[in-house]
Amino acid sequence: EIVMTQSPATLSVSPGERATLSCRASQSVRTNLAWYQQKPGQAPRLLIYGASTRATGLPVRFSGSGSGTEFTLTISSLQSEDLATYYCQQYNAWPRTFGQGTKVEIK
Amino acid sequence: QVQLVQSGAEVKKPGASVKVSCKASGYTFTDYYMHWVRQAPGQGFEWMGRINLNSGDTNRAQKFQGRISMTRDTSISTAYMELSGLESDDSAVYFCVRAVLIGNWYDYWGQGTLVTVSS
Repeated sequence: EIVMTQSPATLSVSPGERATLSCRASQSVRTNLAWYQQKPGQAPRLLIYGASTRATGLPVRFSGSGSGTEFTLTISSLQSEDLATYYCQQYNAWPRTFGQGTKVEIK
Repeated sequence: QVQLVQSGAEVKKPGASVKVSCKASGYTFTDYYMHWVRQAPGQGFEWMGRINLNSGDTNRAQKFQGRISMTRDTSISTAYMELSGLESDDSAVYFCVRAVLIGNWYDYWGQGTLVTVSS
């Protein structure tokens, strides 16, 4: 199965600063990659699909990039409501697999 | 608006089975796949399987072969996941997740159902 590796495990960022989250696949997933945000006690929410397409209604401060095995989620100006854990997921191959998540903390 | 509403928390003994329901509303039920994903406490996500809500065809993760059953009742727009032979490490939150037919990313998630397996 494709192993998804996210880094860092925890990211502490001041409000208004940029947050950069990484996701690496053990083999190419082309651009079949999604990002999800999970706040404590809630179900995940789709942020990005196709590696770079924003979900409907997503603030423009969120952006995704990459293809193949290397992907990035960028939050251009962190807001307090962005406190959450972020997961990448590949949907190029079976079984579908997720990264272990990056927890974003507000500094 | 699209909603996926799951059944409530369950407590089961080892060896028992659990059946989780997922009632969909706000869209044409049979136009999508439904996947089942679980999250153990403090852990990441594990894909369990999917069902084509139109045909009823299913695909399962190898890990759950022989233990998982996914069905649907189109008359009430509800999908079901039954897991048998429960063990303590099956304790997790179980999510139903809607997947688009072309692409297969997850655009809506149920609220999750906590299943606790304990003697």
